[in-house]
Amino acid sequence: AQSVAQPEDQVNVAEGNPLTVKCTYSVSGNPYLFWYVQYPNRGLQFLLKYITGDNLVKGSYGFEAEFNKSQTSFHLKKPSALVSDSALYFCAVEGTGAGSYQLTFGKGTKLSVIP
Amino acid sequence: EAQVTQNPRYLITVTGKKLTVTCSQNMNHEYMSWYRQDPGLGLRQIYYSMNVEVTDKGDVPEGYKVSRKEKRNFPLILESPSPNQTSLYFCASSSGQEAYEQYFGPGTRLTVT
Repeated sequence: AQSVAQPEDQVNVAEGNPLTVKCTYSVSGNPYLFWYVQYPNRGLQFLLKYITGDNLVKGSYGFEAEFNKSQTSFHLKKPSALVSDSALYFCAVEGTGAGSYQLTFGKGTKLSVIP
Repeated sequence: EAQVTQNPRYLITVTGKKLTVTCSQNMNHEYMSWYRQDPGLGLRQIYYSMNVEVTDKGDVPEGYKVSRKEKRNFPLILESPSPNQTSLYFCASSSGQEAYEQYFGPGTRLTVT
């Protein structure tokens, strides 16, 4: 069975500092990896995805993520955090093995950017 | 505007009273899905549909039903709701199954007393 781990329930970072939200995964076959963001009282919004190719993926709002196959990780990063980045972030994986095409989400990481 | 809509947004009901949460998308997407979000558990998939009249169970299908009679609509049915179905529910759609990003509705907060 595929799974996603987001080891930090909450990440606090000062405005202007770089931020990292961690994600590791377990899946059969090559993974498709996603990051979504949820603002208060809103549905999830797609940020970026990794399918194949360049390990560094760029997405919306200045976010990027690095795929590391050997460490089975897909950490979300941003060089300079904004207060408006404060939200709940979800990592998700879709396996490409048998019985796949199902998206499995992590438990989420709450990001707080402190002014 | 491309969107996924859900109704109602908030619902308080009693145990055993059948209810339906509607979901509609205007993007002509083939793939639709229902999730529930619970604190500390993230999002868990309830059911998904790959196209009209094609549905399949997700990770937590017990106590739920779905139907897909039209491409744009994917209602979630709770025939006999119980308090453990109190949750925040999201509908989502995408152009396809494999490696496509999903578009989420605004959510339905359901309370079963």
